[in-house]
Amino acid sequence: EVQLVQSGAEMRKPGESLKISCKGFGLIFTSYWFGWVRQMPGKGLELMGIVYPADSDVRYSPSFEGQVTISADKSLNSLYLHWKSLNVADAAIYYCVRLVSEAGFDHWGQGSLVAVSS
Amino acid sequence: EIVMTQTPLSLPVTPGEPASIFCRSSQSLLGSDDGNTYLDWYLQKPGQSPQLLIYSLSYRASGVPDRFSGSGSGTDFTLTISRVEAEDVGIYYCMQRIDFPFYTFGQGTKLELK
Repeated sequence: EVQLVQSGAEMRKPGESLKISCKGFGLIFTSYWFGWVRQMPGKGLELMGIVYPADSDVRYSPSFEGQVTISADKSLNSLYLHWKSLNVADAAIYYCVRLVSEAGFDHWGQGSLVAVSS
Repeated sequence: EIVMTQTPLSLPVTPGEPASIFCRSSQSLLGSDDGNTYLDWYLQKPGQSPQLLIYSLSYRASGVPDRFSGSGSGTDFTLTISRVEAEDVGIYYCMQRIDFPFYTFGQGTKLELK
């Protein structure tokens, strides 16, 4: 069974750094693109960017370029989302997703809640 | 950026009745090379992660009941539920997948029971 298992909820202060993770089970990690989707409180879904773990090719959606760093470690079947300096507006639930080129985002992680408050 | 616009944003439905959700894209989602239409539908049930319902306009994802169907062409699309059940409550999103990797979602349509 394919599963994407994300790291737990995090609380940080503005200006602090954070890295959240997503580990894949039951799949060939290097055969797919994976992505991160943001859902701000009470709002819709936004694709932040995608990564191809086989060669670490990363593509960012324009709104998120320079704001976060997406990476992957194929030896650990894991992908990551990193902030150097959080601000209050980064508070959201972040979902990792698997992209199947013919079928969209067919698997989603359980979500990682990020809270940012002074 | 391709803009996706859904209507209505809120949809109260009586159980057993049909329901339709509409989605419009600012550009055609018809692939010129392969004839596929790159439009997907997702459902986010309360307190859960979103799940894939329909991909490439009209193909149901694994395990999705056949009361869900997708249709449309070019820039106008419809998700239809033939008979709404209680478990169908949640927020429905359309998403365009033609503009790799800049996929965009609609605002979401909240389906609730009357």
